[in-house]
Amino acid sequence: GNSVTQMEGPVTLSEEAFLTINCTYTATGYPSLFWYVQYPGEGLQLLLKATKADDKGSNKGFEATYRKETTSFHLEKGSVQVSDSAVYFCALVSGGSNYKLTFGKGTLLTVNP
Amino acid sequence: DAGVIQSPRHEVTEMGQEVTLRCKPISGHDYLFWYRQTMMRGLELLIYFNNNVPIDDSGMPEDRFSAKMPNASFSTLKIQPSEPRDSAVYFCASYRRGLAGETQYFGPGTRLLVL
Repeated sequence: GNSVTQMEGPVTLSEEAFLTINCTYTATGYPSLFWYVQYPGEGLQLLLKATKADDKGSNKGFEATYRKETTSFHLEKGSVQVSDSAVYFCALVSGGSNYKLTFGKGTLLTVNP
Repeated sequence: DAGVIQSPRHEVTEMGQEVTLRCKPISGHDYLFWYRQTMMRGLELLIYFNNNVPIDDSGMPEDRFSAKMPNASFSTLKIQPSEPRDSAVYFCASYRRGLAGETQYFGPGTRLLVL
């Protein structure tokens, strides 16, 4: 079956630090990969996505590259801000159920001024 | 577009009471999902609908939970009777089947506290 493993948090960084949140997956077929972000008290929002190998998704300074050879989709940002403090979820859809998301457990990021 | 709308945003009730959560999906979306989020279990898919028909309810924890979708623009999740362990944030999400990479859009959630 499908599964997503992401690094456990919490992750605490100072403003302008470099961020990496690791995500690896197991899936049947050729999955599409996503990062969602959940700000305090809110629902999940799509942050970025990639639908095929070597695609790079990017948004709001965040990037992630779909690496089929390592089954990974690590999230990176060169310089984090206090406003990036949130929970980040890696997710995938795969196979015939291309609408059913499989989520990782989420990583809490706190950015201090 | 207004996005996925959920109500109420917060609900506090006593054990044994009936709780009804409501969701309005994005217009034109043909899939609707109900999730539950807790610290212990993370995000759990409870049930999803396609064209108003329940497709998979294997995530519904017990018979106390039921969900309906009487039309394309409205769904309810009901808990009767409620218990303290049902305290969680309940999310509704909708999706329109289409191009690869299309994905679900989440509502803001209902925070349920059962005392």
